[in-house]
Amino acid sequence: GENVEQHPSTLSVQEGDSAVIKCTYSDSASNYFPWYKQELGKRPQLIIDIRSNVGEKKDQRIAVTLNKTAKHFSLHITETQPEDSAVYFCAATPSGSARQLTFGSGTQLTVLP
Amino acid sequence: DVKVTQSSRYLVKRTGEKVFLECVQDMDHENMFWYRQDPGLGLRLIYFSYDVKMKEKGDIPEGYSVSREKKERFSLILESASTNQTSMYLCASSLSQAVYNEQFFGPGTRLTVL
Repeated sequence: GENVEQHPSTLSVQEGDSAVIKCTYSDSASNYFPWYKQELGKRPQLIIDIRSNVGEKKDQRIAVTLNKTAKHFSLHITETQPEDSAVYFCAATPSGSARQLTFGSGTQLTVLP
Repeated sequence: DVKVTQSSRYLVKRTGEKVFLECVQDMDHENMFWYRQDPGLGLRLIYFSYDVKMKEKGDIPEGYSVSREKKERFSLILESASTNQTSMYLCASSLSQAVYNEQFFGPGTRLTVL
């Protein structure tokens, strides 16, 4: 089955700096890669996703890049703000399933004021 | 606005008890999922269902079963709770299999098994 590895497990940045979280996946047939954000005590919510026919996608201060050859994808947050502090999960679809997601282990991002 | 609700936020049970966790979604979603969330392990899929009375095993189904008698409701059952099932349980739903759909999560149930 699909295996998704996520790094780093914790990340601290100064407010205004950029943050990058990286994920690798094992199943070369995976073709959908969403990112979820979970604030403390709240439920995970989708923040951005990318499909395999696209190399990069941007939404205001967040962007995701995908390298299918190397089987890795990354989340980039620019001009970080305290409200960006949360746990971020990457995910990928196991081959043959448009419904299922395999999640990474999560990254605790702390934005220091 | 999609709403996914779970029957309890906190639950304390004893080893060997049968435990039911219920999830309800109000947006006519086809797919429903049960995950457990443990520190450092992310979200791990226990079971999912893509239709009434249909279920498929996820990555960690051992010790769990599920039931989906109505489209809006998906239950997770711990037949005989054990201490290693102490965890946060998250339910989610998504629209259909046709395209890649966002999963909408419930607030979670923190289960403690003593």
